[in-house]
Amino acid sequence: KQEVTQIPAALSVPEGENLVLNCSFTDSAIYNLQWFRQDPGKGLTSLLLIQSSQREQTSGRLNASLDKSSGRSTLYIAASQPGDSATYLCAEETSGSRLTFGEGTQLTVNP
Amino acid sequence: KAGVTQTPRYLIKTRGQQVTLSCSPISGHRSVSWYQQTPGQGLQFLFEYFSETQRNKGNFPGRFSGRQFSNSRSEMNVSTLELGDSALYLCASSFSAKGNGYTFGSGTRLTVV
Repeated sequence: KQEVTQIPAALSVPEGENLVLNCSFTDSAIYNLQWFRQDPGKGLTSLLLIQSSQREQTSGRLNASLDKSSGRSTLYIAASQPGDSATYLCAEETSGSRLTFGEGTQLTVNP
Repeated sequence: KAGVTQTPRYLIKTRGQQVTLSCSPISGHRSVSWYQQTPGQGLQFLFEYFSETQRNKGNFPGRFSGRQFSNSRSEMNVSTLELGDSALYLCASSFSAKGNGYTFGSGTRLTVV
């Protein structure tokens, strides 16, 4: 059974801090690993997509890495801002055209 | 470029009724998948359609069904609603899935009373 685990479940940091969110998965035969952001009551916003042949992707202050051998992905957020407060979800896509999601990390950035 | 459009945004239904939710994918995307999000279970996969064919189905009872039309728009139907069906239903669109990534809509919030 595929499992995706995210650590920590919640994180509270002061504005300006750099932070790392962790995601681990059990199935190494992935097509891709995708990071999403979800604001309360809203849908999912895609942040970064790392395909299986890639090791990392960057967008602005965000950097995501993928290590298939260890079954881990990290999302690095530089110089955090209050607007970054949200729940961050990682999801792996394996065979079957479906995403398996972690439980998410709830991030609060305090001004 | 229009995103993924889900209608309606909110629904309130009574136990035993049925409901139909709609999803219009990004133009050119042929894969549409559906997910249920609840506080207790998180995000769970319902099913995925590609070119009008269901390619994959999650572990949900037969009361949950879906279909996809020739223009790639998709609908999901839930019959004989139960209180536990209250959730945020999310639709995701992909060019072909399998490595191309997914774009999600804003969701339909279903409340069963």
